[in-house]
Amino acid sequence: QKEVEQDPGPLSVPEGAIVSLNCTYSNSAFQYFMWYRQYSRKGPELLMYTYSSGNKEDGRFTAQVDKSSKYISLFIRDSQPSDSATYLCAMDSNYQLIWGAGTKLIIKP
Amino acid sequence: DAGVTQSPTHLIKTRGQQVTLRCSPKSGHDTVSWYQQALGQGPQFIFQYYEEEERQRGNFPDRFSGHQFPNYSSELNVNALLLGDSALYLCASSPRLDGNYGYTFGSGTRLTVV
Repeated sequence: QKEVEQDPGPLSVPEGAIVSLNCTYSNSAFQYFMWYRQYSRKGPELLMYTYSSGNKEDGRFTAQVDKSSKYISLFIRDSQPSDSATYLCAMDSNYQLIWGAGTKLIIKP
Repeated sequence: DAGVTQSPTHLIKTRGQQVTLRCSPKSGHDTVSWYQQALGQGPQFIFQYYEEEERQRGNFPDRFSGHQFPNYSSELNVNALLLGDSALYLCASSPRLDGNYGYTFGSGTRLTVV
């Protein structure tokens, strides 16, 4: 079993829809939870990070962490075609990041 | 302000050969980490360098080695290349005190082993 599980998709939604992306994890020691966006042929770009449980909002993006369930989510409101990319969750472990496999998101105009 | 710069962008090598990948960190960053990302997978941590020393290492064989220079730039060396080493190699830099959430990633070097 992988430490971080993420549905690879692809997830295809119409423009303007609310997108929900999720990861589950097994290591209760994780403290920082991050969401990265990766466009084709590019490196990952940090979107948001959250410490411990709770919600964090930044513009159209909201990150949620539920440590009791070992479950994290990223919500994208008013999705745009430019949001089409692969979204990866990552969690800290002793100065290294443990990653999900990434979910490919396609926003249809 | 330049971000993380990696070179070369693409590379094709033959099985058994050796390769060196290079990384220049973002200005103001002193810590460099290397990750391997296979197609359709999340990145896997190789190692991290700080103050010219390897500080953390992931589950990679000794064929993978690195170096950090006084100007904080870094190299990743892979010896005796295997077909399975074909991947996107990512360099990430950060200020040490920011920990894992301060990473800036380069666009990577795509290595193909034939």
